[in-house]
Formats: sequence, C-alpha cells, structure tokens
Amino acid sequence: DAGVTQSPTHLIKTRGQQVTLRCSPKSGHDTVSWYQQALGQGPQFIFQYYEEEERQRGNFPDRFSGHQFPNYSSELNVNALLLGDSALYLCATGRDRAGANVLTFGAGSRLTVL
Amino acid sequence: KQEVTQIPAALSVPEGENLVLNCSFTDSAIYNLQWFRQDPGKGLTSLLLIQSSQREQTSGRLNASLDKSSGRSTLYIAASQPGDSATYLCAVARGSTLGRLYFGRGTQLTVWP
Repeated sequence: DAGVTQSPTHLIKTRGQQVTLRCSPKSGHDTVSWYQQALGQGPQFIFQYYEEEERQRGNFPDRFSGHQFPNYSSELNVNALLLGDSALYLCATGRDRAGANVLTFGAGSRLTVL
Repeated sequence: KQEVTQIPAALSVPEGENLVLNCSFTDSAIYNLQWFRQDPGKGLTSLLLIQSSQREQTSGRLNASLDKSSGRSTLYIAASQPGDSATYLCAVARGSTLGRLYFGRGTQLTVWP
C-alpha cells in the first residue's frame, strides 16, 4: 500500500516564477493538508482540502493556492515566487471520520528560489 | 493563537543514555498532541499520539506524557541508540477537524556511539 506521494522531490525556480507541487494521498484518505517548513523551523499550516474545497487556511497570502481533484489528489500552486518561499513543502493526508485526526505525511518537495 | 515551544533546541548524548525532550503549548484547549520524527531532508513519521483525555502513551523505548492543564508534554527515550538521531517535533491539534496541526521548531538529537 503506497503512502503519500509527492512530486517533484526537488526543484529550483527564480524569483517571480510560478510553481506547482503535487500530492497523491494514501489509499482511503480523502483530506489533504499542505505545510511549509523553512530551514530550522517547524512546519506551518498552509491550507486543507476536502471534497474539492478549501476547508481551512493558515496565515499565507493569496499567492498560495490549491486544488483537490475528484480522485482526492491535490496541487499546491505558488505564484510570484519570493526568496522566502524556499522551503520543504509537505503534504499530509487523512480520513475525515469522527474522532479521527491522524495524518500521514509525504516526504516533501524541496523548493529553492534563486 | 496556539504557540508550541520545544526545549532543548539541540541535544548531543552518548549511546545508552535516557533522554527527556520537552514541549509546551500556550492554549490548553487541545484535541490531541503528537510527537513526530524527521530525518534530514525527509518527511515526518508519527511516533506517538496522545488524546486530550489521556495522560501518556508508550511505544517500545518511547514514552510520551501529557499534562494538558499545565500545557506540557515530555517525550522520554530510553537507552538511546545512534539510530535515534533525528529531529523530534511536537504538534498539537486544537479541534477535531482533521489536518491543522501547530508545530514546535523541534529538538535536534544526536546520539553518538
């Protein structure tokens, strides 16, 4: 049973460009959350998707947007990249069931902005 | 706003020592608390999850305790090994809505032979 799959694993962009990161959830999972982890910091919540809609959002600007597809996979888009967007982007998936709050994390996508 | 603090930021010990990692949070109205392990450049692996109604959880050489009223949790690692070297992250969930966790910055642990 495959876990959470993220792609690409590494990428390099320049300031002002746009990037799309992808996440395939663990089998049976229907919610997807995205986190940004800067070097030496803990992960920061960006947003969560369920039933193809954004359900929660953290303190991130509108340059960060996302999408969830009918097969529960998700994309994270970042426009007008800044140097400060360089980070490890983590996808976490789970099942939206009462009493459940256990997430499975992917290995992440390492974004470097030059 | 929920803030999570972990002490110490880094720890270097010889193999065999028993360790205590600390986590504190500002809002005691949590749903649960989790401890994660992160290897360099990798994702997160969940180690232990403690529901707000529980006091502790154990898995092998790991034991985590939770004192919700004081806003504290500790992760106890018995008989440390070099393979335990990693960053340990504490995270709290404020509500039952799946997905939003508040993380500390982590404790970077090095266990040398």
